[in-house]
Amino acid sequence: KQEVTQIPAALSVPEGENLVLNCSFTDSAIYNLQWFRQDPGKGLTSLLLIQSSQREQTSGRLNASLDKSSGRSTLYIAASQPGDSATYLCAATYNNNDMRFGAGTRLTVKP
Amino acid sequence: DAGITQSPRHKVTETGTPVTLRCHQTENHRYMYWYRQDPGHGLRLIHYSYGVKDTDKGEVSDGYSVSRSKTEDFLLTLESATSSQTSVYFCAIRGFGDTGELFFGEGSRLTVL
Repeated sequence: KQEVTQIPAALSVPEGENLVLNCSFTDSAIYNLQWFRQDPGKGLTSLLLIQSSQREQTSGRLNASLDKSSGRSTLYIAASQPGDSATYLCAATYNNNDMRFGAGTRLTVKP
Repeated sequence: DAGITQSPRHKVTETGTPVTLRCHQTENHRYMYWYRQDPGHGLRLIHYSYGVKDTDKGEVSDGYSVSRSKTEDFLLTLESATSSQTSVYFCAIRGFGDTGELFFGEGSRLTVL
């Protein structure tokens, strides 16, 4: 079964710290891997998408990497800010229409 | 935001009643999806559509039906709502191009009493 796991489930850090969120997937035959942000009571906002042929993507203070052979992706957030507090979800897409989500990591950045 | 609108945003209903959720998009995207989000399960695919009148089942399709008579609208119907269908429902569209990137609506919170 294709499963996606995110560890830790929750993370609290002081403002300014660099941090890494982890995502692992059991089936390496992915089409792409996408990272989302979700604020309470809101929808999902796409942050970064890494296609299966790519190793990483960057957007501002965010960098996502993909290692298909080990079944892992990481989201690196540099110089964290209180506004980064949210739940971060990763999702692996298989066969173009089967997207499997992790349960998310709830991030709190303390001022 | 890819022009996605979900309605209603909140609904409380009773067991056994029919419920229809609507997803409306304004940018002519071909692929549309319905997901549900539950604590401990993350997001799970219910149904998706790859064109007008073209739909297929997802991981948790039992108890749900969908229809897409126009490109811009994708409807999710619970024929006879049950308490286990209390959830937050999200509509998503696939962006243009070959990346497969998904964009989500704001969600519809459904409570079945």
